[in-house]
Amino acid sequence: AQSVTQLGSHVSVSEGALVLLRCNYSSSVPPYLFWYVQYPNQGLQLLLKYTSAATLVKGINGFEAEFKKSETSFHLTKPSAHMSDAAEYFCAVSGAGGFKTIFGAGTRLFVKA
Amino acid sequence: NAGVMQNPRHLVRRRGQEARLRCSPMKGHSHVYWYRQLPEEGLKFMVYLQKENIIDESGMPKERFSAEFPKEGPSILRIQQVVRGDSAAYFCASSSMEQANSYEQYFGPGTRLTVT
Repeated sequence: AQSVTQLGSHVSVSEGALVLLRCNYSSSVPPYLFWYVQYPNQGLQLLLKYTSAATLVKGINGFEAEFKKSETSFHLTKPSAHMSDAAEYFCAVSGAGGFKTIFGAGTRLFVKA
Repeated sequence: NAGVMQNPRHLVRRRGQEARLRCSPMKGHSHVYWYRQLPEEGLKFMVYLQKENIIDESGMPKERFSAEFPKEGPSILRIQQVVRGDSAAYFCASSSMEQANSYEQYFGPGTRLTVT
């Protein structure tokens, strides 16, 4: 079985500050891990994915995430927040078979001017 | 190359009516997934289909919900006798066979269903 926990339903940062969105997963098999971004009234856009290659994964828009097996974590970071980063972010896990993807509850990111 | 298309984008139905949601996958994609997103929640898997086959419907409610992906035309998610609790955003995603093997999916903009 697989599950995802996103710590913090809301995160607020100032423009230019570090963005850190936390994700912990549970998986009985080597996981595929994803971060998606959702802007209001839109679908999900893939930011980045981990598929057992490099543990530090770089994505679009300056985001990156590090896979830490010992901590079962896949936190998303960006060095400097921009106003356009305000959105909802979802962590997701797959790999347990059946082509099913399990999503976390989401973290809404607010960026203050 | 057009992305995943969903229509309608917004759908209002009265209790007891039927709702039909359509999804046209990206060109060349033969795998379709449906998800439901309730307010303030993440996406919940409903069903995974390939052309003319339902592969995994473990997330589908047992009654009133059905899905198909015919040989020609879009995938359809059908909800019969809708109730207020069916109000949600329904997202479709698609992938090629190669992308499906790495769990990569491309999402449509969603259909927002409101039941009055």
